[in-house]
Amino acid sequence: GENVEQHPSTLSVQEGDSAVIKCTYSDSASNYFPWYKQELGKRPQLIIDIRSNVGEKKDQRIAVTLNKTAKHFSLHITETQPEDSAVYFCAADGTASKLTFGTGTRLQVTL
Amino acid sequence: GAGVSQSPSNKVTEKGKDVELRCDPISGHTALYWYRQSLGQGLEFLIYFQGNSAPDKSGLPSDRFSAERTGGSVSTLTIQRTQQEDSAVYLCASSLVVMNSYEQYFGPGTRLTVT
Repeated sequence: GENVEQHPSTLSVQEGDSAVIKCTYSDSASNYFPWYKQELGKRPQLIIDIRSNVGEKKDQRIAVTLNKTAKHFSLHITETQPEDSAVYFCAADGTASKLTFGTGTRLQVTL
Repeated sequence: GAGVSQSPSNKVTEKGKDVELRCDPISGHTALYWYRQSLGQGLEFLIYFQGNSAPDKSGLPSDRFSAERTGGSVSTLTIQRTQQEDSAVYLCASSLVVMNSYEQYFGPGTRLTVT
């Protein structure tokens, strides 16, 4: 089945700096790669996703890039703000009708 | 409309007891997923439903875990003879259909503590 690895496990950046979280996946049949944000004590929520027919997608300060050849995808957050502090999960769909999630990255944006 | 709801929000039980966790998906969502999130860990897939059927039960940790869904709506996750290692937050999610390009909407979770 699909295996997703996520790095780093923790990330601390200063407000205004950029943050990058990277994921690799194992199943070359994966076509859908969502990113979820989970604030402390809250439920995960989808923030952005990308499908295999595109290499990059942007939504305001958030962007995701996908390299299907290398089987990795990344989340980029620019001009970070304190409210970006949360745990971020990447996921990939593989060939089964389910998502396999990475282990999460705890992002801390400091003032 | 209303989002995914789960009950109870917290459950403390003694080792060896059975527990039932409930999930109410968004109305009209045919796909329903159960995940387990241990402290500081990722989302571990347990089982998913398409309608009332569960094509993939591969994530259930042991035969003490079971789940059902009735009427294409409410789902119940049952853990029999609970163990301390079952302590975790159990999250439910629903999506319009079982296609992974559809967003999964998560419930608030049930925090299970086995003493």
